Amino acid sequence: EDQVTQSPEALRLQEGESSSLNCSYTVSGLRGLFWYRQDPGKGPEFLFTLYSAGEEKEKERLKATLTKKESFLHITAPKPEDSATYLCAVPKWTGTASKLTFGTGTRLQVTL
Amino acid sequence: DGGITQSPKYLFRKEGQNVTLSCEQNLNHDAMYWYRQDPGQGLRLIYYSQIVNDFQKGDIAEGYSVSREKKESFPLTVTSAQKNPTAFYLCASSIGTADTQYFGPGTRLTVL
Repeated sequence: EDQVTQSPEALRLQEGESSSLNCSYTVSGLRGLFWYRQDPGKGPEFLFTLYSAGEEKEKERLKATLTKKESFLHITAPKPEDSATYLCAVPKWTGTASKLTFGTGTRLQVTL
Repeated sequence: DGGITQSPKYLFRKEGQNVTLSCEQNLNHDAMYWYRQDPGQGLRLIYYSQIVNDFQKGDIAEGYSVSREKKESFPLTVTSAQKNPTAFYLCASSIGTADTQYFGPGTRLTVL
């Protein structure tokens, strides 16, 4: 069964304290990996798509990387406004459509 | 402004009642989706539609129904057959099912 596992479940950082979130997957025939940010009570906001191992993408304090088995979301010098739940999702082709499998997310809290 | 709207934001239902959640998009996307989000679980796919007048069951379709009569609209009905309907419901759309999905703000349904 296809699985997407995110770790840690929760992470508390002080402002400026860099860290990484992990997303590991067992989907065969990887066709990309998506990262989203979700604030409480709101819909997920798209951050990045990565398509092949070795690919990296950056946006402000966030950098996403991809290997054959996992992806990392690196947060450099985080600020309190980076506090959110970060979700990753992996698509799988069913033969007629591509469907996303989501991880349960990492809840990030950044304090002053 | 292009985007996805969902209404209502909050919905309360008595047991035994059917309710319909609205989802509208003006992004000219062909594909639309409904997900359910529960605490501690990843987003789970209820139904998806790749094109007008066509839709397919996702992983947890029992107790739900949808229609896709217009490209812009993909309403979800939560029927009385859904045993545990209290959840946060998210609508998404994409150009095609292999493309990035963009999410609406969500509807929180509570069964009293």
